[in-house]
Amino acid sequence: AQSVTQLGSHVSVSEGALVLLRCNYSSSVPPYLFWYVQYPNQGLQLLLKYTSAATLVKGINGFEAEFKKSETSFHLTKPSAHMSDAAEYFCAVSRSNFNKFYFGSGTKLNVKP
Amino acid sequence: NAGVTQTPKFRVLKTGQSMTLLCAQDMNHEYMYWYRQDPGMGLRLIHYSVGEGTTAKGEVPDGYNVSRLKKQNFLLGLESAAPSQTSVYFCASSPLAGDERETQYFGPGTRLLVL
Repeated sequence: AQSVTQLGSHVSVSEGALVLLRCNYSSSVPPYLFWYVQYPNQGLQLLLKYTSAATLVKGINGFEAEFKKSETSFHLTKPSAHMSDAAEYFCAVSRSNFNKFYFGSGTKLNVKP
Repeated sequence: NAGVTQTPKFRVLKTGQSMTLLCAQDMNHEYMYWYRQDPGMGLRLIHYSVGEGTTAKGEVPDGYNVSRLKKQNFLLGLESAAPSQTSVYFCASSPLAGDERETQYFGPGTRLLVL
């Protein structure tokens, strides 16, 4: 069975500070990994994905994530937070012929002025 | 290219009523999915389809039925709504092949309140 753990349901940072959102997965084989962002009252938008190519993945809006197999982690980072980054972020894992996703419980990012 | 659309955006039901949520995609994707989103629980897969005429159960299928009569449409039905089905429902689609084959594309969601 696959599962995804996101540490911290709420994270608060100051504008301009580093953003670090944590994601750990459990999988018997190397998975595909994703980060999605959800703005209020909207659907999910893909930020970035890891599909067994480069371990450091760059996404939209300045976000990146590093796949660390030894730590079974796929943490999301951004060097400098912007007010517009305030949203909920979901980590997801997929390893299935039918591309079924398993989502973490989400982390709400608050950016303070 | 509208992507994934969902109808309706918001609905209020009384316990025991039935309704159907419609998902449509114009990207010619083979795979389609229905999720529910509840606070603190992320998204959970209800049912999915790997092609026209096929459906399969996900993590939380009880109380829901689905149909995929046309490739572009995936319907989610609630035969007898219960308050526990109050949630936000998201539809997603994914291609079978190509560079984006691992990615799911999401609709804007349907908010359902069951009284």
